[in-house]
Amino acid sequence: DTGVSQNPRHKITKRGQNVTFRCDPISEHNRLYWYRQTLGQGPEFLTYFQNEAQLEKSRLLSDRFSAERPKGSFSTLEIQRTEQGDSAMYLCASSLSTKGYGYTFGSGTRLTVV
Amino acid sequence: DQQVKQNSPSLSVQEGRISILNCDYTNSMFDYFLWYKKYPAEGPTFLISISSIKDKNEDGRFTVFLNKSAKHLSLHIVPSQPGDSAVYFCAASVNGDDKIIFGKGTRLHILP
Repeated sequence: DTGVSQNPRHKITKRGQNVTFRCDPISEHNRLYWYRQTLGQGPEFLTYFQNEAQLEKSRLLSDRFSAERPKGSFSTLEIQRTEQGDSAMYLCASSLSTKGYGYTFGSGTRLTVV
Repeated sequence: DQQVKQNSPSLSVQEGRISILNCDYTNSMFDYFLWYKKYPAEGPTFLISISSIKDKNEDGRFTVFLNKSAKHLSLHIVPSQPGDSAVYFCAASVNGDDKIIFGKGTRLHILP
């Protein structure tokens, strides 16, 4: 197992376009988290799944954002009608435990909206 | 509303000396605290944690101290090594809550 994999690593898109990111967690991990990190800030919680169920969504996650985790395996995060303010690093993490030390983060997808 | 605060954006320390990174929090419901380390182009990696029932936890060169009355925690790295140069995030969670809340991070530079 190579850890948490995120694709693509980088994405440049024009304002108004839709983008989709993928996260493949560690196979035995049932929890999957999405965070967003902007310059000079720490990771901010967006949403998380336990198996295929989306259990919590941050108010940061506007209606333009949607996340899925079909069959409790990989997850996708889609942003519709991207805005320049969406430019950030999108981090995925997975864990077996509710304790933060169980988180394994991927390397992230860097989104640039031009 | 920043519930976890790291007020020093950066810190420079001579190799071999002690590095002390500080963190304050506002949410009295936090009962579990963590430090994560992040290198460029990588995701954060877990470093050390402490439960609110303790005031100190040690792991090799890394020690975390918790002062609940002051809502303050600190990470000590002794001795500091070049590979410790990274961004360090303080984080916290509430028991039973699956998400962790991160601070803005402190960039640590270890000087030769």
